[in-house]
Amino acid sequence: QKEVEQDPGPLSVPEGAIVSLNCTYSNSAFQYFMWYRQYSRKGPELLMYTYSSGNKEDGRFTAQVDKSSKYISLFIRDSQPSDSATYLCAMRYSGGGADGLTFGKGTHLIIQP
Amino acid sequence: NAGVTQTPKFRILKIGQSMTLQCTQDMNHNYMYWYRQDPGMGLKLIYYSVGAGITDKGEVPNGYNVSRSTTEDFPLRLELAAPSQTSVYFCASSDRAKNIQYFGAGTRLSVL
Repeated sequence: QKEVEQDPGPLSVPEGAIVSLNCTYSNSAFQYFMWYRQYSRKGPELLMYTYSSGNKEDGRFTAQVDKSSKYISLFIRDSQPSDSATYLCAMRYSGGGADGLTFGKGTHLIIQP
Repeated sequence: NAGVTQTPKFRILKIGQSMTLQCTQDMNHNYMYWYRQDPGMGLKLIYYSVGAGITDKGEVPNGYNVSRSTTEDFPLRLELAAPSQTSVYFCASSDRAKNIQYFGAGTRLSVL
């Protein structure tokens, strides 16, 4: 079983829809959870950063972490064509070390105008 | 407002050639990272550094070398390039406090 599982898609939805993106993971030592957005031929850019379980909202984006189920989600409200990109979940262990991130494979999202 | 800068953006190598991928950051971050991203795959950590003079291996270090002589620069060296090293390479940096990683635009490398 891979450490982080993420459906690669593509996921195609009409403009204005609510989008739900998800990742599951197997290692309970992960404490920090992130969502990155990556446009074609660009580097990943951080969207959301959360610690442990709970919800975090930023504009049209909401990140949820359920550590008991080892499941994280990103919701996008009022989706726009400019949201079309690949969304990568990422996570790392706790502690003060310089651990690299463990990434999912990414979900390719297409918002149809 | 440069952030993390990678050069070159594209490169084609022949099997057995060597090259250095350059990465520099202007955010005074202690931590720097090299990842590779293959089609349909997530990013895999190659090497990382916690400060000048200190480097360590990540998940996929074979065939690569790094050095960190300054806080700003973290070059990645490919010796004896192989087709398996065809990939997109991303450099990232983060501060010690929150360890939020900021990525460069990537270097697309083909080994033929």
